[in-house]
Amino acid sequence: KNEVEQSPQNLTAQEGEFITINCSYSVGISALHWLQQHPGGGIVSLFMLSSGKKKHGRLIATINIQEKHSSLHITASHPRDSAVYICAVSRTDKLIFGTGTRLQVFP
Amino acid sequence: DGGITQSPKYLFRKEGQNVTLSCEQNLNHDAMYWYRQDPGQGLRLIYYSQIVNDFQKGDIAEGYSVSREKKESFPLTVTSAQKNPTAFYLCASSILGGGRPQHFGDGTRLSIL
Repeated sequence: KNEVEQSPQNLTAQEGEFITINCSYSVGISALHWLQQHPGGGIVSLFMLSSGKKKHGRLIATINIQEKHSSLHITASHPRDSAVYICAVSRTDKLIFGTGTRLQVFP
Repeated sequence: DGGITQSPKYLFRKEGQNVTLSCEQNLNHDAMYWYRQDPGQGLRLIYYSQIVNDFQKGDIAEGYSVSREKKESFPLTVTSAQKNPTAFYLCASSILGGGRPQHFGDGTRLSIL
C-alpha cells in the first residue's frame, strides 16, 4: 500500500463546477504539499500545509492532521485548470509523492 | 527571474551509452534533488544533495550517479547499468530544513533508441 493515496485518479468536469481532490497518508509528516503538473511536465508548488486551511485565488487546501487527510478544492473550474494535481508529504528532509489526479475541465 | 533550468528537454540514448542530464538553479538553494517519473507512479527520489561535494542516495539510485561541485549545479548521469532508463526526469531545489517547498525544473524526457 502506498504511503500517500490520492483519489480520484482521473476527474472530468464542466467549466464552472466545484472540484475536490483527496489525499490520505499513512505516515507521520511535518507538512503536506499540493503540486500542479502541466501537460508539458513542469511542476509548480501550490500549497504547503501543516494545519488548517489555505486559500489562493480559486484554490483552497485543507488538512486534518488527526485523520491524516487533505483536500484540494477548485471553485468555478476553468479549462486552464486542466493538469495533474499531486499530493506530497514531507518526511524528514524528503518528499513522498502520491500518483496524482488527472483533471480535465471542458468548456 | 530565479528558477531551475533543465537541459535538454528531450534526450535519446543508445544501448550501452551513458548520458548526463543538466540541472542548474539560481535560487541560492542549498538542497537539490533528482526524481524519476513513470506513468501511473508517483515521483521517486534518485539522489539528493544538501551541500556542495556531498550527496545521498534516494530510493532508486542504482544505475545513476551525480556530482555537486558547485552550489548551482547538480548533474545526473544515467549509466549503462540502468536497465530501464526511459522515463521523465525532474530536478528540484529547496532551502534546507524539513518540509520546505521544492522548486522544480521543466524536466527531461529520456528515451532509448
